[in-house]
Amino acid sequence: ILNVEQSPQSLHVQEGDSTNFTCSFPSSNFYALHWYRWETAKSPEALFVMTLNGDEKKKGRISATLNTKEGYSYLYIKGSQPEDSATYLCATNTGNQFYFGTGTSLTVIP
Amino acid sequence: DTGVSQNPRHKITKRGQNVTFRCDPISEHNRLYWYRQTLGQGPEFLTYFQNEAQLEKSRLLSDRFSAERPKGSFSTLEIQRTEQGDSAMYLCASSLALLTGGPNSYEQYFGPGTRLTVT
Repeated sequence: ILNVEQSPQSLHVQEGDSTNFTCSFPSSNFYALHWYRWETAKSPEALFVMTLNGDEKKKGRISATLNTKEGYSYLYIKGSQPEDSATYLCATNTGNQFYFGTGTSLTVIP
Repeated sequence: DTGVSQNPRHKITKRGQNVTFRCDPISEHNRLYWYRQTLGQGPEFLTYFQNEAQLEKSRLLSDRFSAERPKGSFSTLEIQRTEQGDSAMYLCASSLALLTGGPNSYEQYFGPGTRLTVT
């Protein structure tokens, strides 16, 4: 079992603020790092899949970076909006088994 | 709706009863995964199928749990003799594994989950 950790556990920010979260994972046997957004009462939604050290991905105001040598990924949200409120999960997979972190719960206050 | 669907969305049962959940993946997806999430934890892998073959099972999957995907389409997860510790959200996800492989083969699409409460 791989230990994937996320921090902070929860976060409250004001609308318009930028924020970021951390996902750390074992760097050995790494294959890919995944970020998901999970809104209450909805299905988790895939945001990014990253595999290469130094990868950076961007979707609108959300971006992510990957450091496979030291075993961490950052997720950034620029200019947070209330609709960004959700739990953000990261996961790593070695082959077909996925290991999830416990998530960062983001609340954006209007 | 062409996404992953799960039924029922909520299930309340008494300890000792059997329950069965269903997952309908995205139609062209050949891989199907089951996860369990308890309060304060991330989803934990239970098992996965490639078409109708169950290729991997977690040690979390006790002998009271069984999963099937008989025709390589929908899947069922059955829990026999439920215990209070089985109370959790059960998530299903599907993906399209490409012959060429690559990380996109592991891009999973999740259903909304079935929340089980064992009283």
